Amino acid sequence: NAGVTQTPKFQVLKTGQSMTLQCAQDMNHEYMSWYRQDPGMGLRLIHYSVGAGITDQGEVPNGYNVSRSTTEDFPLRLLSAAPSQTSVYFCASSYADRLGPYNSPLHFGNGTRLTVT
Amino acid sequence: DAKTTQPNSMESNEEEPVHLPCNHSTISGTDYIHWYRQLPSQGPEYVIHGLTSNVNNRMASLAIAEDRKSSTLILHRATLRDAAVYYCISGGEYGNKLVFGAGTILRVKS
Repeated sequence: NAGVTQTPKFQVLKTGQSMTLQCAQDMNHEYMSWYRQDPGMGLRLIHYSVGAGITDQGEVPNGYNVSRSTTEDFPLRLLSAAPSQTSVYFCASSYADRLGPYNSPLHFGNGTRLTVT
Repeated sequence: DAKTTQPNSMESNEEEPVHLPCNHSTISGTDYIHWYRQLPSQGPEYVIHGLTSNVNNRMASLAIAEDRKSSTLILHRATLRDAAVYYCISGGEYGNKLVFGAGTILRVKS
């Protein structure tokens, strides 16, 4: 199993450019999410999805769009890149616990390091 | 989501046990307590989680206070490879809504 795969590993953008960060998982997980991590800080939730066709906003959604057309893929789109979006982006996935509250671990990718100049 | 409080950093000697504390005084009855760790230049890695009872796995043990307002992650014999940032987090319905704080930087001395 590849687990959670993020591409690209590194990206440099100019202010105003758009791009898509890719995330794919091969574990048939229902839940997927995007986090950003700034230096010396914890992870902040951008968007998440509880299944194909369903997405919702997290803590810091502005400037980002997501879609979930398949179970496997959860791309993150930067509409018009800004220097404030310079960060490391992590995608994560987990399976649903049918018995009640969430109790399954998150599986993370290795991140995409984005620099916006 | 419940908020958690952890010390900024801790230090341990190699081969000795490490107890990493976490306070989660506003935790609700159905919130699990999760621990993740993050090695340099990597994504977070699941360590352990639990609801009420103490939990053990091959990586660590999780001791949960009876009132569930605090917990302790126990690494039984720290190694240099355990040096990382450890996150204690608590969440409810969907794991994707887990809120990560700044975590505890664990330094392991040889």
